[in-house]
Amino acid sequence: AQSVTQLGSHVSVSEGALVLLRCNYSSSVPPYLFWYVQYPNQGLQLLLKYTSAATLVKGINGFEAEFKKSETSFHLTKPSAHMSDAAEYFCAVIKGGSQGNLIFGKGTKLSVKP
Amino acid sequence: DAGVIQSPRHEVTEMGQEVTLRCKPISGHNSLFWYRQTMMRGLELLIYFNNNVPIDDSGMPEDRFSAKMPNASFSTLKIQPSEPRDSAVYFCASSTGQLRSEKLFFGSGTQLSVL
Repeated sequence: AQSVTQLGSHVSVSEGALVLLRCNYSSSVPPYLFWYVQYPNQGLQLLLKYTSAATLVKGINGFEAEFKKSETSFHLTKPSAHMSDAAEYFCAVIKGGSQGNLIFGKGTKLSVKP
Repeated sequence: DAGVIQSPRHEVTEMGQEVTLRCKPISGHNSLFWYRQTMMRGLELLIYFNNNVPIDDSGMPEDRFSAKMPNASFSTLKIQPSEPRDSAVYFCASSTGQLRSEKLFFGSGTQLSVL
């Protein structure tokens, strides 16, 4: 069965600092992995996705994630945090062979201090 | 495109009442998903439709919950009778349904409070 685990429910960084949000996955088949972002009082938006084409995936707003099979990880990074990055971030994996049926992690709330 | 439209944005009701949440997917999208978000359980898939047909409803918590998609442009999620533990944010999402890896487009959600 597929699942994802996000380490740290809350991460706080200073503006300009590196952002690192951790996600580990469990999958019996090559996974399709996603990062979504949720701004306050809004629905989720796709940041980036991994579909086995390239291990380093670049997304919107300067975010990127690297798929590491040996570590079963798909951590999200951004070199320099901006105040507008404050939001909740969700890692997700597709369940089995189902199209679009995503299993989400519990989420990591990112705070950015001035 | 207006995106996925959900109504109402907020719903406050009393225990035992019927609640109906509505969703209009993006035009041309063939797959529609209902998710529930709570602090305790995070985001959970309740049910999803493909071409108006329910494909997987294993996430629907109880018989009190039902979902319909009478046509390609409208879906409802009904809770009858509602209970305080149903309080959550309910999201609707849609996609074209063409690829396993394609992204979902989410609505802004309905904040449900059952007193």
